[in-house]
Amino acid sequence: GAGVSQSPSNKVTEKGKDVELRCDPISGHTALYWYRQSLGQGLEFLIYFQGNSAPDKSGLPSDRFSAERTGGSVSTLTIQRTQQEDSAVYLCASSLGDREGYGYTFGSGTRLTVV
Amino acid sequence: RKEVEQDPGPFNVPEGATVAFNCTYSNSASQSFFWYRQDCRKEPKLLMSVYSSGNEDGRFTAQLNRASQYISLLIRDSKLSDSATYLCVVNTRQSSASKIIFGSGTRLSIRP
Repeated sequence: GAGVSQSPSNKVTEKGKDVELRCDPISGHTALYWYRQSLGQGLEFLIYFQGNSAPDKSGLPSDRFSAERTGGSVSTLTIQRTQQEDSAVYLCASSLGDREGYGYTFGSGTRLTVV
Repeated sequence: RKEVEQDPGPFNVPEGATVAFNCTYSNSASQSFFWYRQDCRKEPKLLMSVYSSGNEDGRFTAQLNRASQYISLLIRDSKLSDSATYLCVVNTRQSSASKIIFGSGTRLSIRP
């Protein structure tokens, strides 16, 4: 597609359930980032994929969070045993690379609400 | 100290005014720089890349000062539609790893 696609756009889940969030980056983009943003707050880095390199997982807040990127394209962020503090907008961004001038295009996000 | 720091804002200026934001970064290995704009309850969108020589796009001018490790964004003849949060983004590459850091954003409000 023309842009970064995220699904679902909204997800309400019960505390303790697992959720999967999907990101479909722009075709050909090798770099993919996951962020989350709580209401009125800045972006919090979660994980970064670049080509076939090992992902940078340094931003994942706990071992309940995991992500994978299959075939260098679609990525799935999984949150196990969700907690209320996991409620946020989860944003995915992709880029052609990390050279000067290559910006990052964001998807419209998944708004996760844990009740 | 945060890796990327921005003017805290909020900036509240009249339509037509010129407004400038600064952003400082701590890692001298930082390689690429961007300004993003985020409207309320929307995803960030790329406003402009910041090139080493500085660059201009209409009413917007971005500059980079590597020696002092800061970037700036200047908005001339501000419009009501410029009201948003402006995010400074820095990409740092070390060996094979790359990392982009977002500033916490500066809120701008343009009043009629």
